[in-house]
Amino acid sequence: GEDVEQSLFLSVREGDSSVINCTYTDSSSTYLYWYKQEPGAGLQLLTYIFSNMDMKQDQRLTVLLNKKDKHLSLRIADTQTGDSAIYFCAEKGEDDKIIFGKGTRLHILP
Amino acid sequence: EAQVTQNPRYLITVTGKKLTVTCSQNMNHEYMSWYRQDPGLGLRQIYYSMNVEVTDKGDVPEGYKVSRKEKRNFPLILESPSPNQTSLYFCASSLGVGAGANVLTFGAGSRLTVL
Repeated sequence: GEDVEQSLFLSVREGDSSVINCTYTDSSSTYLYWYKQEPGAGLQLLTYIFSNMDMKQDQRLTVLLNKKDKHLSLRIADTQTGDSAIYFCAEKGEDDKIIFGKGTRLHILP
Repeated sequence: EAQVTQNPRYLITVTGKKLTVTCSQNMNHEYMSWYRQDPGLGLRQIYYSMNVEVTDKGDVPEGYKVSRKEKRNFPLILESPSPNQTSLYFCASSLGVGAGANVLTFGAGSRLTVL
């Protein structure tokens, strides 16, 4: 069945770039998303990319999509303490269902 | 302000005592959904609704009920809660499935503890 995989933890020093990776199985995915969950809050959309694109940039965020390898990544430039959160990768599959990964907890080191 | 509102935000209850978690959205969204979030398991979908009077099971529907009598409200009902339903619950809504990105707007979450 459809599945989205991502590593559970990532530690990055403040000021460095963070790269969060995700793989998915549904080759018919039309949209892929990154959601951010701050402590004590619900998920908020960070960005999404349509499947016919291979890159999307929005200020400090860069999303790369390798459709052949079914690999999605989120790069956060100049990581700040406010970026500390759980980041969820998600895909919109062929039945329009949104499938979420388990989330990557990003920890910022001083 | 466009938002999804869940209540209560925190609840401690006992096994078997029926409870309802309310969810309301003010964006005229057609699609609404309930998720539970558990450590190591991520987000799992409980039930969803494509529109008024249309509800479907998600991945983990056992022990839960929902209803969608009005477009804005989508309550989650636990008829006889058990300790394994202790979790963090999220309601979410979107314009609708089909064409477009179907971006979900999430509520702030309801932390439920069943003793």
